[in-house]
Amino acid sequence: DQQVKQNSPSLSVQEGRISILNCDYTNSMFDYFLWYKKYPAEGPTFLISISSIKDKNEDGRFTVFLNKSAKHLSLHIVPSQPGDSAVYFCAASFTGNQFYFGTGTSLTVIP
Amino acid sequence: GAVVSQHPSRVICKSGTSVKIECRSLDFQATTMFWYRQFPKQSLMLMATSNEGSKATYEQGVEKDKFLINHASLTLSTLTVTSAHPEDSSFYICSARSQTVKAFFGQGTRLTVV
Repeated sequence: DQQVKQNSPSLSVQEGRISILNCDYTNSMFDYFLWYKKYPAEGPTFLISISSIKDKNEDGRFTVFLNKSAKHLSLHIVPSQPGDSAVYFCAASFTGNQFYFGTGTSLTVIP
Repeated sequence: GAVVSQHPSRVICKSGTSVKIECRSLDFQATTMFWYRQFPKQSLMLMATSNEGSKATYEQGVEKDKFLINHASLTLSTLTVTSAHPEDSSFYICSARSQTVKAFFGQGTRLTVV
């Protein structure tokens, strides 16, 4: 049973615009969330995290929003750049132990 | 920041042979390491959890005799795929955590069994 879901397999955005990637989870016990970026044949690259005591965390162009009541997580990239084109995974865990990953969203930023 | 090094990044082996993948935490002591596997068009799935000095805990459906995990020190865990078959071809990734470091991932290993 998929506990973390990314319902959009792909997303295309114009360079300079905002990219919004969404993630839903089913288990209310999750208290730590991550977004990863992955290029083909490489390991995940950590982007940004958020714990359940917060509803927003910002790091440069990347902002993660957490809506606990809706069990929803989103990653905003502003402004989007062609180098952001990759597959983005969200992941959730209990206190940073085992992570449950979504299936990923492939982002294409069009120059 | 914390760095986890995984080696090799790519390996091709013959069917029936064994392959060892190493995962090292370079600047912190990893009390727990996790091994994940990614099938095509699927998300990363946890295979096993290993704590330093004790036996690994395997997820349901993962053959412990086929995927041998050793976590002999606080900075090194190894995954050995024994008697590899073509269906073991996949992308394997480790992650490590400590009391203060939540989780950092290795670069991953692309295993191809021919």
